[in-house]
Amino acid sequence: QVQLQESGPGLVKPSETLSLTCTVSGGSISPYYWSWIRQPPGKGLEWIGYMYYSGSTNYNRSLKSRVTTSVDTSKNQFSLRLTSVTAADTAVYYCARYFEGGPYLQYWGQGTLVIVSS
Amino acid sequence: EIVLTQSPGTLSLSPGERATLSCRASQSVSSSYLAWYQQKPGQAPRLLIHDVSSRATGIPDRFSGSGSGTDFTLTISRLEPEDFAVYYCQQYGNSLTFGPGTKVDIK
Repeated sequence: QVQLQESGPGLVKPSETLSLTCTVSGGSISPYYWSWIRQPPGKGLEWIGYMYYSGSTNYNRSLKSRVTTSVDTSKNQFSLRLTSVTAADTAVYYCARYFEGGPYLQYWGQGTLVIVSS
Repeated sequence: EIVLTQSPGTLSLSPGERATLSCRASQSVSSSYLAWYQQKPGQAPRLLIHDVSSRATGIPDRFSGSGSGTDFTLTISRLEPEDFAVYYCQQYGNSLTFGPGTKVDIK
């Protein structure tokens, strides 16, 4: 059974960079698509973007200028960097793996809350 | 970018009743890339339905999806106590978007 676990700081200062890592167990990073999704407290889901195990990416246009993702196949991990954060970036951040048969999110991490505050 | 609208915002029903949730897209959803997720408090979403009407692995057959073009429906034939949750629709064009969600709560 594929399992995903997010890790990273729970508190980030405004204007700084949010960095999270997702560790995959029970399966390989390749040959799948991987994604980050966030959910502000009490609100809905927002897709941040996806990356393929080979490195190709596609990001939400509203976040594209601030997002970078990467994959480390040797560690079975992938990562998210979000620059110049503000309070609006406070959210539970989820990592997820795409369904093999289409652009749907089949396996999810438990989520990690990141608060942006000084 | 395709915008998804879900209605109603909240659906108050009793166990055993039928739930009908609507998802409307601002333009036609390409290749029928439409899915439904269930989310319970403190948990990650769970994929229920993909490709409009295909149940994901392990999803009971009381959940069914239908629709085409811009109008889609998730139906729960008989609500079980564990079905009270928030439901999101999701589409993929050149970008992935979610609807705002419908909360199904106990009447």
